[in-house]
Amino acid sequence: AQTVTQSQPEMSVQEAETVTLSCTYDTSESDYYLFWYKQPPSRQMILVIRQEAYKQQNATENRFSVNFQKAAKSFSLKISDSQLGDAAMYFCAYKPPRQTGANNLFFGTGTRLTVIP
Amino acid sequence: DGGITQSPKYLFRKEGQNVTLSCEQNLNHDAMYWYRQDPGQGLRLIYYSQIVNDFQKGDIAEGYSVSREKKESFPLTVTSAQKNPTAFYLCASSPDTSKGSYEQYFGPGTRLTVT
Repeated sequence: AQTVTQSQPEMSVQEAETVTLSCTYDTSESDYYLFWYKQPPSRQMILVIRQEAYKQQNATENRFSVNFQKAAKSFSLKISDSQLGDAAMYFCAYKPPRQTGANNLFFGTGTRLTVIP
Repeated sequence: DGGITQSPKYLFRKEGQNVTLSCEQNLNHDAMYWYRQDPGQGLRLIYYSQIVNDFQKGDIAEGYSVSREKKESFPLTVTSAQKNPTAFYLCASSPDTSKGSYEQYFGPGTRLTVT
């Protein structure tokens, strides 16, 4: 079974500062997909960023970027210039390659991010 | 507006009663999913469906049932056999993955409380 580990149950960051959330995963596959989702107090899951394992370049979406270390099976999320609206639960998720026939996501247990004004 | 709707937002039931959670999407997505979220455990897959009239069990399917009679709809029934049904339930959908799009889009969720 796939496992996704988020070792930081809670993190905090000062507004306008930078924070990094950690994620590691376990897989024997070489071609897969990784995601970070945000779940604010409304509990709606929002896709933040995605990374294809075959791409060496780290994905970036505005203030959000990832550090994808394939050999280490690590996928951390960096939030720059943190804003109050970034406060939420953040989930790391893994999707197996298409040829396995598995389309579902495997989620970590989440990291609760608090932004301090 | 395109999106995924789940109803109701909050649902209360007595123990021993079956209850059906609604999930509708107008994104023309082929695949749909049901997840359960408990505190400290992240999301766990209950059932998923890649096409109409076909669905597969996820990791925690016991005590649940689904149907997929229409592309837009994927209702989840929580039966009396589910031993601990109180949880937050999230429905998701994704486009045809053979065309290369793999992210899932989520509905707002239903909070089910069984007493």
